[in-house]
Amino acid sequence: DTEVTQTPKHLVMGMTNKKSLKCEQHMGHRAMYWYKQKAKKPPELMFVYSYEKLSINESVPSRFSPECPNSSLLNLHLHALQPEDSALYLCASSRMKTGLHGDEQFFGPGTRLTVL
Amino acid sequence: AQKITQTQPGMFVQEKEAVTLDCTYDTSDPSYGLFWYKQPSSGEMIFLIYQGSYDQQNATEGRYSLNFQKARKSANLVISASQLGDSAMYFCAMRESGGYQKVTFGTGTKLQVIP
Repeated sequence: DTEVTQTPKHLVMGMTNKKSLKCEQHMGHRAMYWYKQKAKKPPELMFVYSYEKLSINESVPSRFSPECPNSSLLNLHLHALQPEDSALYLCASSRMKTGLHGDEQFFGPGTRLTVL
Repeated sequence: AQKITQTQPGMFVQEKEAVTLDCTYDTSDPSYGLFWYKQPSSGEMIFLIYQGSYDQQNATEGRYSLNFQKARKSANLVISASQLGDSAMYFCAMRESGGYQKVTFGTGTKLQVIP
């Protein structure tokens, strides 16, 4: 199994809603990532989990709350979002090798989020 | 300062021709890795090719090759024999050894293959 899955594919939510994005991989990767991507822009790193511990938080607002329940699963909990948070949210995973070589990230298909 | 620069917002190439997508980078870290990703309109980022800073040879993966010029800090992607399915956004990215798991992406180049 060489894929990263993400659910849902599309999500529309109001500013007062609470929702969660889910990401799963079964490649034995020990690093998992959340990115936010606006149209025609590169992905922006939000969070990194290494060995199920949060290792990087790129000053993301607290209305985004990541969770890594186990080595295969990554969630992103959403609460009180703003319309400007509408974007494609991409999850990725990588082996987390000690060296750089071969530590490419494998991406999921993304969740297209619209905040009304 | 931009760590990864892609100066071509858009490119056109005739089917079956080769095309070069430019990427320059900036780092003082002697150990780093360079990646190229393809993003079709569907949204998924697809890993294409990797080049390590200490690799002696240019990386190749099928129709993709990387023209790595370390002194110039450039890592251009060459796609040979372009196909219609190559139409997509292409991102150059870099990971520095001192940057933990953080990967920095360039602004991307939109490639359109013309029949």
